[in-house]
Amino acid sequence: DAGITQSPRHKVTETGTPVTLRCHQTENHRYMYWYRQDPGHGLRLIHYSYGVKDTDKGEVSDGYSVSRSKTEDFLLTLESATSSQTSVYFCAISGTGVGQETQYFGPGTRLLVL
Amino acid sequence: QKEVEQNSGPLSVPEGAIASLNCTYSDRGSQSFFWYRQYSGKSPELIMFIYSNGDKEDGRFTAQLNKASQYVSLLIRDSQPSDSATYLCAVHGGGNKLTFGTGTQLKVEL
Repeated sequence: DAGITQSPRHKVTETGTPVTLRCHQTENHRYMYWYRQDPGHGLRLIHYSYGVKDTDKGEVSDGYSVSRSKTEDFLLTLESATSSQTSVYFCAISGTGVGQETQYFGPGTRLLVL
Repeated sequence: QKEVEQNSGPLSVPEGAIASLNCTYSDRGSQSFFWYRQYSGKSPELIMFIYSNGDKEDGRFTAQLNKASQYVSLLIRDSQPSDSATYLCAVHGGGNKLTFGTGTQLKVEL
């Protein structure tokens, strides 16, 4: 988890409310990722960023948006939370170039949508 | 769609034995392969990666890659109770994205 923090670590919210999760890195890595992890599904990519203001969708992006205004921060927003978005959310970072595609993970955020 | 398949387990081995974890992948263009360990309630942590066919050893861990068979495995020698965790296989096929398997749960019994 060194160099990557996530906030909040735990959150309980109600259906229909917006929620923003924050990922902060001190490694100056170019790439940042948001995953969700659910039993039976493993880690699934929601969105990723390849630079400031450069983002792209992953395989499960519906209902989520992201923003990256600084190299060190990557925000994930659930626009209107639903119970199906109850999950554990992980942020990850990686560098660029050969051998730099290894991803390192933050500690995770447990989100419960009631 | 790129797929990475792992047996979910649990795989139970006695302490001191060799644990063998397997992973197959669908994308023949995949270039690099990763093994992560995840303890319950924690985030995935990198164990090792492998790029070339053959074996790569790091302490008690050996990764084996066979690109012709689209198969990668992780051997854990002298298994310890502290090795009990879920092991995730991940494959890189380009675009700086990894595709993860659903993981194999390993239980090392005393």
